[in-house]
Amino acid sequence: GENVEQHPSTLSVQEGDSAVIKCTYSDSASNYFPWYKQELGKRPQLIIDIRSNVGEKKDQRIAVTLNKTAKHFSLHITETQPEDSAVYFCAARIGGGTASKLTFGTGTRLQVTL
Amino acid sequence: DSGVTQTPKHLITATGQRVTLRCSPRSGDLSVYWYQQSLDQGLQFLIHYYNGEERAKGNILERFSAQQFPDLHSELNLSSLELGDSALYFCASSVVPNPYEQYFGPGTRLTVT
Repeated sequence: GENVEQHPSTLSVQEGDSAVIKCTYSDSASNYFPWYKQELGKRPQLIIDIRSNVGEKKDQRIAVTLNKTAKHFSLHITETQPEDSAVYFCAARIGGGTASKLTFGTGTRLQVTL
Repeated sequence: DSGVTQTPKHLITATGQRVTLRCSPRSGDLSVYWYQQSLDQGLQFLIHYYNGEERAKGNILERFSAQQFPDLHSELNLSSLELGDSALYFCASSVVPNPYEQYFGPGTRLTVT
């Protein structure tokens, strides 16, 4: 069935360093890949997304890359700050038409230390 | 604030009981999605409604049901509750029927004792 794998499950970086989170998906028909940030006890917030017709997208310190051939996509955060500490979820739009749905990865807990 | 509202924020109930969670999508959004997030778990898709019609189902238990009303708000009904149903329940909304750019509500924390 549909599957999205996310690695690593935890990631600790020093402030100012870069962080990279990777996801792989199983359905080659997937065409939309969002990333969500969730702070403790709060709602997931969409931070960046990419569609399958694009290889890379940037928004200030965050970027997402997509390799359709290898079926994986990655989140890159540069110049990390303490407020970047949160759980990050990747997702893939599985299925087609109006019966499609988002399947989420299991999350990466990012800790940015001073 | 995403513009998606959910009530109640917290709910504590006993096993065997039935509860109703409510979600109001952002103004103009026709799609509502429900997700379950258990402790230290990811987001599990439950069900999707678009303009009052069910469009997709995930791993939703038969004890759970949902509907979307003409004013586009949605309710998730959970019955015969078990301890394992304790979780955060989120709804999300989007403008189009396909799940691009979903915006999440603040969630309802359900505790079953």
